[in-house]
Amino acid sequence: AQTVTQSQPEMSVQEAETVTLSCTYDTSESNYYLFWYKQPPSRQMILVIRQEAYKQQNATENRFSVNFQKAAKSFSLKISDSQLGDTAMYFCAFIWVGAGSYQLTFGKGTKLSVIP
Amino acid sequence: NAGVMQNPRHLVRRRGQEARLRCSPMKGHSHVYWYRQLPEEGLKFMVYLQKENIIDESGMPKERFSAEFPKEGPSILRIQQVVRGDSAAYFCASSATQVGQPQHFGDGTRLSIL
Repeated sequence: AQTVTQSQPEMSVQEAETVTLSCTYDTSESNYYLFWYKQPPSRQMILVIRQEAYKQQNATENRFSVNFQKAAKSFSLKISDSQLGDTAMYFCAFIWVGAGSYQLTFGKGTKLSVIP
Repeated sequence: NAGVMQNPRHLVRRRGQEARLRCSPMKGHSHVYWYRQLPEEGLKFMVYLQKENIIDESGMPKERFSAEFPKEGPSILRIQQVVRGDSAAYFCASSATQVGQPQHFGDGTRLSIL
């Protein structure tokens, strides 16, 4: 079974600063995808960024980038130039690629507060 | 550009009543997933459906819960004889294919049991 661990229940960052959210996962699979989802107070689930395990290059999406360390099973999210609208819960999620693969496994989330 | 549509956004039921949650996937998506989020928790998988088929319901309680995705119309998550512990946010997601494609989520239905 796959597990996803987010060890930081809460974090805060000053506006315009950079913050990194941690995520580790455990799997015996070699081919999988990793995601970061954002859940603002409105409670929508918004896809932030996706990483394919077979790609060595770290994914980036504007101010969001990941540090994917496959050997260490680590997948951290870096938010640069933090904005007030980044205040949200952030969930790391995993899905493996294979027959019968369809359920995302989520971590418990990190609550990020951006301070003006 | 219609995303995943869930309704109602909020649903209040008394213990013992039935709750019906609806989900219309994104256009072109034929794979639907239901997740439940308890307070202060991440989302937990419940069931995966394709048109007219339940593919995996391993995350769904065996009693009182059922799901369907008919040929025509939205997917329905049905909870019979609701209890206080059913209070949660229920999210529907859809994807274009099964493997690897991002699952796009609706805004969720917040179910409150009085």
